Amino acid sequence: EVQLVESGGGLVQPGGSLRLSCAASGFTFSSYWMHWVRQAPGRGLVWVSRINSDGSSTTYADSVKGRFTISRDNAKNTLHLQMNSLRAEDTAVYYCARVFISGTFDFDYWGQGTLVTVSS
Amino acid sequence: QSALTQPASVSGSPGQSITISCTGTSSDVGSYNLVSWYQQHPGKAPKLLIYEVSKRPPGVSNRFSGSKSGNTASLTISGLQAEDEGDYYCCSYAGGSTLIFGGGTKVTAL
Repeated sequence: EVQLVESGGGLVQPGGSLRLSCAASGFTFSSYWMHWVRQAPGRGLVWVSRINSDGSSTTYADSVKGRFTISRDNAKNTLHLQMNSLRAEDTAVYYCARVFISGTFDFDYWGQGTLVTVSS
Repeated sequence: QSALTQPASVSGSPGQSITISCTGTSSDVGSYNLVSWYQQHPGKAPKLLIYEVSKRPPGVSNRFSGSKSGNTASLTISGLQAEDEGDYYCCSYAGGSTLIFGGGTKVTAL
């Protein structure tokens, strides 16, 4: 069974940092592109970042470019999102998501999400 | 980049068909046949309903169908059921390995 389990969320002050993790199981993690998508409380989905299967290529939304870094450890089946210089508007539930077909942008499995709250 | 435009809410009676629109630009929806649709129930992760404009993943009911014309994509739910209530999001490839979601549509079965 495919499972994605996020962790690392919490309360952080503006300007602070957090590192999110997404533990994957039930599939060959190293074969799939992975993404992060966030959802502010009561708001819609917003795409954040993507990484290819071997970690050699990454892309970011303009709103997080230069502040967030996506990475992966295929040996540990884990996806990461390093978030620096956090702002109040980064407050959201962060989901990791697996693409349906490798190299594409449709997500067939999502984690349960981890809440990041940026507040003083 | 602004979100794709979706109606805030759409409602229908059980058994009826409803359609949700998703309007983008010539840089996203209009340029690629890479539009997907997701259903999200409260407190849950989204579920993929449609990908590549009109394809259904295994296990998704054929009551859900997708189409696209120009810069606007559409999701149609046929034979609306109470279990279809929830939030629906469109998503489009926007070039440069980036994605853009719609603002979401709340579907209500009256």
